[in-house]
Amino acid sequence: SYELTQPPSVSVSPGQTARITCSGDALPKQYAYWYQQKPGQAPVLVIYKDSERPSGIPERFSGSSSGTTVTLTISGVQAEDEADYYCQSADSSVVFGGGTKLTVL
Amino acid sequence: QVQLQESGPGLVKPSETLSLTCTVSGGSISSYYWSWIRQPPGKGLEWIGYIYYSGSTNYNPSLKSRVTISVDTSKNQFSLKLSSVTAADTAVYYCAAGHEALTAIDYWGQGTLVTVSS
Repeated sequence: SYELTQPPSVSVSPGQTARITCSGDALPKQYAYWYQQKPGQAPVLVIYKDSERPSGIPERFSGSSSGTTVTLTISGVQAEDEADYYCQSADSSVVFGGGTKLTVL
Repeated sequence: QVQLQESGPGLVKPSETLSLTCTVSGGSISSYYWSWIRQPPGKGLEWIGYIYYSGSTNYNPSLKSRVTISVDTSKNQFSLKLSSVTAADTAVYYCAAGHEALTAIDYWGQGTLVTVSS
């Protein structure tokens, strides 16, 4: 079955840039979506169609795609960005990556 | 703004059927694809499946033999049934909605914890 692979954890200092990758064989053909999940809360969509940002999501969140890898970039990381981040895509069914815990040092 | 609220038992015995209902407000039941997604404690998200108001469904292949998702347009609700549950089915279950099939999940319920235990 189709899989999406994310690093388990990423750590950055406040003000730095965080990059979270997601790899999958179908990503060249399928869009990717990114969700932020804080403890005890439901996920929130932060990027759709690889690089589009929903209304209300800060401009420091951006997405990009290259081949079989998509990347969520958070520029000027703030303490409030500490959360789990999940990528999502689909072939014949919806698939989530395993999630990446972003720690703000 | 679509709002979603899960309801159902928080405790289910092994081998029994888990049943949850999601009540939709603020949006038409005919305008979205309605999904169930779960998250075991301390683990990642797992998509269970979705239904369209017409009744067409798409299920996670790994759960397909045990899952039924249905919709009641008259009540603005959709439901999940998961049969023959085990402790591995213990999770927070989210109902959710997307504008299109197999794309972004735009709206999420708050989630409800279902524990499988005797």
